[in-house]
Amino acid sequence: GESVGLHLPTLSVQEGDNSIINCAYSNSASDYFIWYKQESGKGPQFIIDIRSNMDKRQGQRVTVLLNKTVKHLSLQIAATQPGDSAVYFCAENSYSGGGADGLTFGKGTHLIIQP
Amino acid sequence: ETGVTQTPRHLVMGMTNKKSLKCEQHLGHNAMYWYKQSAKKPLELMFVYSLEERVENNSVPSRFSPECPNSSHLFLHLHTLQPEDSALYLCASSQTGVDGYTFGSGTRLTVV
Repeated sequence: GESVGLHLPTLSVQEGDNSIINCAYSNSASDYFIWYKQESGKGPQFIIDIRSNMDKRQGQRVTVLLNKTVKHLSLQIAATQPGDSAVYFCAENSYSGGGADGLTFGKGTHLIIQP
Repeated sequence: ETGVTQTPRHLVMGMTNKKSLKCEQHLGHNAMYWYKQSAKKPLELMFVYSLEERVENNSVPSRFSPECPNSSHLFLHLHTLQPEDSALYLCASSQTGVDGYTFGSGTRLTVV
């Protein structure tokens, strides 16, 4: 079954507001997490990642928070813009000796930006 | 072109046809992946190739046959597909031991 999931299939926010997208995972061995953005007709685009030895990481207008105690991951987008409209996925991986491992994805949250 | 390139972008095929999807990565990565994305379902990992050897096959039907002739190219050969195989097929690449996976734009497959 799935080892990651998202709480909301759709999130609607006003342009300029901050957005928070949540993700829960169940595999306690997961040690690497990625957020992807997927626009219509395109493949997933990397946004930000975090390893399990961190609880927060910031990028440009985005922040990822990791709470290992409750197995929760969130993506915060500051001052949302129309171009942020997309489906956002969290994904996890549990490295095994640095070998090639695929990612396990959640179902995705569709972020809608209201003008 | 940089990154991960997939061709064709769209494909319509009959259930008796044989077709192939192609993926090429220009990132110097040594691992490549096929994922299936169906409507309202999470991305599903199908195949993993590391150093041109298949390391994972997630119970994918034999009508899907991957091929990795070198570290830059990955194919997915399709034959006698079913309508439920219609989906977006995504290729990704990574470098083992290094964080990050890069996806292509996918091939939208429709089986009629």
